[in-house]
Amino acid sequence: KQEVTQIPAALSVPEGENLVLNCSFTDSAIYNLQWFRQDPGKGLTSLLLIQSSQREQTSGRLNASLDKSSGRSTLYIAASQPGDSATYLCAATYNNNDMRFGAGTRLTVKP
Amino acid sequence: DAGVIQSPRHEVTEMGQEVTLRCKPISGHDYLFWYRQTMMRGLELLIYFNNNVPIDDSGMPEDRFSAKMPNASFSTLKIQPSEPRDSAVYFCASSSPFWEMKSTDTQYFGPGTRLTVL
Repeated sequence: KQEVTQIPAALSVPEGENLVLNCSFTDSAIYNLQWFRQDPGKGLTSLLLIQSSQREQTSGRLNASLDKSSGRSTLYIAASQPGDSATYLCAATYNNNDMRFGAGTRLTVKP
Repeated sequence: DAGVIQSPRHEVTEMGQEVTLRCKPISGHDYLFWYRQTMMRGLELLIYFNNNVPIDDSGMPEDRFSAKMPNASFSTLKIQPSEPRDSAVYFCASSSPFWEMKSTDTQYFGPGTRLTVL
């Protein structure tokens, strides 16, 4: 069974801190792993996409890593800002286009 | 509820033809989202509606793409004319009213329409 788990479910940090969000998947035969940001009342915003052959992707203050063998991905956010407050979702895509989402981590960055 | 319903499930068409994808959201949901999924780019938001009004269409790739939501229970995504690079899986999703959203803004996805443009 293909399941995706995100830990923690919620995280609150002071502004300026570096933080790590975790994503694990039970079936390591993924095609890619994607991180999204979700704001209330808005659609999913794609942050980073890591293909199965890649180890990490970076965009600005964000860095996502992928370890297929251990079934894990992490999203690292450097120097967090209040504007980073949102729910972060990871999703594993398999070869049949089947996407499995985690339940998300709700991040609050306090000024 | 039957969940989000999309039709057709599969569509094969020739380049230059018009393609219309349909979506019926979950009853009572006032947000509707259209996404496109490709293996190379992953899932991308195309457009979303709130109370039948388009809120953000910045993800629509070109003028060949258009979306409408004439009422709370129906939306269409149209591609005219279609091109081979439009081949993808198109997902529709809906979510509950904003004031009901609590810890997570859960979106319910339809099964998708797999579009192949030859």
